[in-house]
Amino acid sequence: GESVGLHLPTLSVQEGDNSIINCAYSNSASDYFIWYKQESGKGPQFIIDIRSNMDKRQGQRVTVLLNKTVKHLSLQIAATQPGDSAVYFCAETSMNTGTASKLTFGTGTRLQVTL
Amino acid sequence: DGGITQSPKYLFRKEGQNVTLSCEQNLNHDAMYWYRQDPGQGLRLIYYSQIVNDFQKGDIAEGYSVSREKKESFPLTVTSAQKNPTAFFLCARSIGVNEQFFGPGTRLTVL
Repeated sequence: GESVGLHLPTLSVQEGDNSIINCAYSNSASDYFIWYKQESGKGPQFIIDIRSNMDKRQGQRVTVLLNKTVKHLSLQIAATQPGDSAVYFCAETSMNTGTASKLTFGTGTRLQVTL
Repeated sequence: DGGITQSPKYLFRKEGQNVTLSCEQNLNHDAMYWYRQDPGQGLRLIYYSQIVNDFQKGDIAEGYSVSREKKESFPLTVTSAQKNPTAFFLCARSIGVNEQFFGPGTRLTVL
């Protein structure tokens, strides 16, 4: 995969504001998408997923939007808190890959929450 | 930790040495995965396994080997052929084609 070095795209948000993290994907065959949160030195943590038959899905304080026309995915976090500070990854796969999900991960966005 | 145990948390390897990373899950899931993560980058798939005694290469399998003799265990060996082994290694599990749950990771450093 391509290398972007140590300089992840960074989004700085003030505590209490809403955050929007974007992700572009390239595989038109992808029909299942996941957002993960990764804190420093830990494994990624599942946040929310969406299948291609939907364009919006809501969870607790999070919303994922899918625009298949332009192959774009976004994660919205409401009332951002200091504990939301982490790196966020989108991942994509096709449901037609047998009995295992071969995920392709984006390079990630670092969310910094300021007080 | 997503029902996945990885050990050790930190591992040091001398050049030319093979090392094995452990991954165990206790949720009876069929599918397991190994990923490599380099600093500031996303995850890249090394190997995955859909059932016992079966595994498939991912995008960066060269220099690695795996086995799946038991459903709950999917160890990864980093061989001396892997020229740049220093990285963060993550194991995951899933129920079929659904979200993957990750373990806490093993950080491997070459001395």
